[in-house]
Amino acid sequence: EADIYQTPRYLVIGTGKKITLECSQTMGHDKMYWYQQDPGMELHLIHYSYGVNSTEKGDLSSESTVSRIRTEHFPLTLESARPSHTSQYLCASSLEGASAFFGQGTRLTVV
Amino acid sequence: AQRVTQPEKLLSVFKGAPVELKCNYSYSGSPELFWYVQYSRQRLQLLLRHISRESIKGFTADLNKGETSFHLKKPFAQEEDSAMYYCALRFSGTYKYIFGTGTRLKVLA
Repeated sequence: EADIYQTPRYLVIGTGKKITLECSQTMGHDKMYWYQQDPGMELHLIHYSYGVNSTEKGDLSSESTVSRIRTEHFPLTLESARPSHTSQYLCASSLEGASAFFGQGTRLTVV
Repeated sequence: AQRVTQPEKLLSVFKGAPVELKCNYSYSGSPELFWYVQYSRQRLQLLLRHISRESIKGFTADLNKGETSFHLKKPFAQEEDSAMYYCALRFSGTYKYIFGTGTRLKVLA
């Protein structure tokens, strides 16, 4: 079934650890996005990609990095997690001219 | 600066009452506006977009460029409408979105 998948859904990790949040979509979308959302707050765009080997930083400064080696895969990596990275991370994708389709999100807690 | 403003964090109405969720934006270009909804324990999903000019689940929204608003309306609220609602703007010529802070709608029995 065509969908966008995020793993893990929940992650609790210690400070200083390297983590990768996975995002994969089977909808053939070329655009992909990562948003960060703190509880009760707006979504902030932290990374986006228009296609393979294309990545851009969003409006909110983030210490994370992304890669887009395959159309369907857009992982987000934190080299050294800190408590300030605790948040929900939402991955989304879209086709040209269409609206964004969101994943279920990953709730990250750094202790 | 580009911005989407949803002035109400929480809106409570009784079942059958009219609902209006406010959204104002500031953007110098030609905007494309959306409403997204998130029901409890579900993902964020598209409710409607202004260019479609359609009614989804009884909701409508009209883009008012003069007032830079895109308010979401429904004449008779249902309990299943209880959710978080986010207004979003997409920059013309790009695929970047900005979102408002969201409004939690509670429809009381």
